[in-house]
Formats: sequence, C-alpha cells, structure tokens
Amino acid sequence: GEQVEQLPSILRVQERSSASINCTYENSASNYFPWYKQEPGENPKLIIDIRSNMERKQIQGLIVLLDKKAKRFSLHITDTQPADSAMYFCAARRNNNNRIFFGDGTQLVVKP
Amino acid sequence: DPKIIQKPKYLVAVTGSEKILICEQYLGHNAMYWYRQSAKKPLEFMFSYSYQKLMDNQTASSRFQPQSSKKNHLDLQITALKPDDSATYFCASSQGGLNSDYTFGSGTRLLVI
Repeated sequence: GEQVEQLPSILRVQERSSASINCTYENSASNYFPWYKQEPGENPKLIIDIRSNMERKQIQGLIVLLDKKAKRFSLHITDTQPADSAMYFCAARRNNNNRIFFGDGTQLVVKP
Repeated sequence: DPKIIQKPKYLVAVTGSEKILICEQYLGHNAMYWYRQSAKKPLEFMFSYSYQKLMDNQTASSRFQPQSSKKNHLDLQITALKPDDSATYFCASSQGGLNSDYTFGSGTRLLVI
C-alpha cells in the first residue's frame, strides 16, 4: 500500500499570514499528489494537485511543492483568510493504481 | 446539478438492522470508491471498483458489501449494524488511469442507535 503522513493535525494562524501543511509518502512509485479541502458538513473537494514531473505549482494563493528525493510534498497558503478555515487532506497515488491514499488531515483555523 | 448522487443524506438505523447506501455518478467515470469518515479516522478507505470489478478491499468485516448493478452505480450494503458503524460514508469516482483525481459525493451520515 502507501502510507501518507500529514502534519500538523491542527494549524492556527492569523489572518493574512501564511499556512504550511507538510506530507510525506513511502512509495517512490507515487506520481500524483492531490490536495483536498473539506468544509464543515461538506464533502472533500480538490483544490490543487501536482504530478511527479513537476516540483512546484501555484494556483492563485495556493502553492504546492514536491521533493521526490525526500518523498515530501507540501501545501502553502499565502495571505490566509477566514474562509480558508477548513480541513485539508493531502494524498498520493501510484502509477499503476487508481486508489488515492489520504493523510489524516490538517484542521486549519484562520483567526481574524 | 450534483454529478455524484448519494442517498439518503441522513440515515438513522437500529442496531442489528440492515441498510443500503446508494451511490450513482454521472461523470462517465470508470472507477468508484467508498470511504468512511468518523472522529476516529478522517478518511478511511473501504473499497475500490473499476469497470464494476472489485479492485481493492480494506474493510475487515464482511458486513460491508458493495453492489454494482451498473457501471455508474456502487451501492454499499451494511448488515447487522452496530453503533460503531456510525459515520459519514462518502462515495467517490475517478476517470482511472493517469488523470485520477477523485470527485466525492455529498455523503450519507449514518447514525446507528
């Protein structure tokens, strides 16, 4: 299988500061790394992803970094807003498998 | 319009009873999945299906049985319900292959009393 470790489990930041969530994976064959945001009472929704042929990807205020050597990837949210408060899940998928393996989630709280 | 429909949205069941959670997707995806979310385990994988065939099963208990009558359906039958089964059950689907991010349904919130 694949083990995805995600830290921290809870992250509290001040509005307009940045927030970083870090994940590691075990299987070097993993090649796809999506990030999901889940708001209370809602389903998880894809917000950004990165494939193994990239090291960095940015969509507006979201930046994902991938270090394949260290088997580490991270999500950085710049200029956080209270609306960014949610549960965030990192995930990894191997090339020959449809299944996505999820981290245990990070509860992000952005304080006004 | 929701692209993955899960029914019912809320479900209260008595211990020992049997329930079926419905999932239909209209995305033309080939792979479907069931996940369970509770306070103990944020997103716990249960099953994956591809072209209506079981690909992966991480559920220890045979009380949980997926049923796929059509390519875009993957229902979940749960028998002999226990209070510990109380959770939100999410169905998801993906195209399969290299472009395989998931789309999740809105979930069924199950409470077993």
